[in-house]
Amino acid sequence: EVQLVEFGGGLVQPGGSLRLSCAASGFTFSDHWMHWVRQAPGKGLEWVARIGQHGSPTDYADSVEGRFTVSRDNAKTTVFLQMDSLRAGDTAVYYCAREIYFHDSSGYYYRFFDYWGQGTLVTVSS
Amino acid sequence: VVLTQSPGTLSLSPGERATLSCRASQSVSSSYLAWFQQKPGQAPRLLIYGASSRATGIPDRFSGSESGTDFTLTISRLEPEDFAVYYCQQFANSQWTFGQGTKVEIK
Repeated sequence: EVQLVEFGGGLVQPGGSLRLSCAASGFTFSDHWMHWVRQAPGKGLEWVARIGQHGSPTDYADSVEGRFTVSRDNAKTTVFLQMDSLRAGDTAVYYCAREIYFHDSSGYYYRFFDYWGQGTLVTVSS
Repeated sequence: VVLTQSPGTLSLSPGERATLSCRASQSVSSSYLAWFQQKPGQAPRLLIYGASSRATGIPDRFSGSESGTDFTLTISRLEPEDFAVYYCQQFANSQWTFGQGTKVEIK
């Protein structure tokens, strides 16, 4: 059974740092791109970052570029999100998600997120 | 690429048909267009990928279609468990984006 479990959320002051982890199990972790997606209270979904199967490439939303860093440890089947220079606007539930990337017999490529964790809440406040 | 979903809220009764729209600001690859359902306090759940393919375990009352930069999620007959928020999502230029969501509420 595929499982993604996030932890590391909590209350942090503006300007502070926090490191989130997402422990994966039930699948071959190194076969998949992994993502972080966040959702501010009462708001919609916002994609945050992604990381390739072996640690690169990495890509970020403009809103977090230069402040957040995504990494992974395939031996520990865990993906991380290091969040620095946190702002009130970063307050959200942070989800990790697994990406499926494949091509069919016609040669069309498909990408989508098929499994999500339950999320961990990050609150940035003084 | 900006995804604009409409309407913001859809008020319908069980058994009715729901039609949700997602318009892309520019041409996107339909094979990278997905729809998710989210209920309060839960993670999003994949419904449709590749604009029209149902994910594993998704009932056939859910269907997706496309016309140019317009994508549609249709729920043929609403069941009580279908009242939720729905998001479209796409991938382009190494970035993923979500629409702002459509809430399907009980009338």
